[in-house]
Amino acid sequence: QQQVKQSPQSLIVQKGGISIINCAYENTAFDYFPWYQQFPGKGPALLIAIRPDVSEKKEGRFTISFNKSAKQFSLHIMDSQPGDSATYFCAARGGGYQKVTFGIGTKLQVIP
Amino acid sequence: GAVVSQHPSWVICKSGTSVKIECRSLDFQATTMFWYRQFPKQSLMLMATSNEGSKATYEQGVEKDKFLINHASLTLSTLTVTSAHPEDSSFYICSAGLASSNTEAFFGQGTRLTVV
Repeated sequence: QQQVKQSPQSLIVQKGGISIINCAYENTAFDYFPWYQQFPGKGPALLIAIRPDVSEKKEGRFTISFNKSAKQFSLHIMDSQPGDSATYFCAARGGGYQKVTFGIGTKLQVIP
Repeated sequence: GAVVSQHPSWVICKSGTSVKIECRSLDFQATTMFWYRQFPKQSLMLMATSNEGSKATYEQGVEKDKFLINHASLTLSTLTVTSAHPEDSSFYICSAGLASSNTEAFFGQGTRLTVV
């Protein structure tokens, strides 16, 4: 059972454009939703995270939008740059426990 | 942020041998560490949860006798792949969290295991 569904699996965006990745979850016990960025051959690194008591969180060019009633959340990367090319994972964690459930990942390619 | 170090970053071993991967929290104490496995172009799949001083909790379908986990101290957890076979070739990643459960867990840089 895939508890965190992520789409699309691959995304090509032109430099300067907006990259949008969507995720949906099923387990209402999840209370923390991080996004990770992973470059080839490296471990994932925390990019930005949100808790369900807020609907939006922005850090620089990265914004998370959260819809608790729909159990959906998304990552928006504004002014996408070639250096943003990586695989992005949405994730969820719940019950005050650090076990993280990952989405399938989105491979983002930003072309000049 | 906190630093989690994995060693080695890559290893090649012969089929039938055992390989040990270390995961260290460098500047904090981690009561819980997690071990993930990632196949090429796929997501991270949790293998087991390692608690300091107690037995690890394995996810369904993970062979505990094949993937031995030891968490002997608050800064070190090890994963030993016993009698490795080519199908065990994968990217193994650990993460570690602070004692408080309401904080972020930090990931190591991963270990690429190739069994030949």
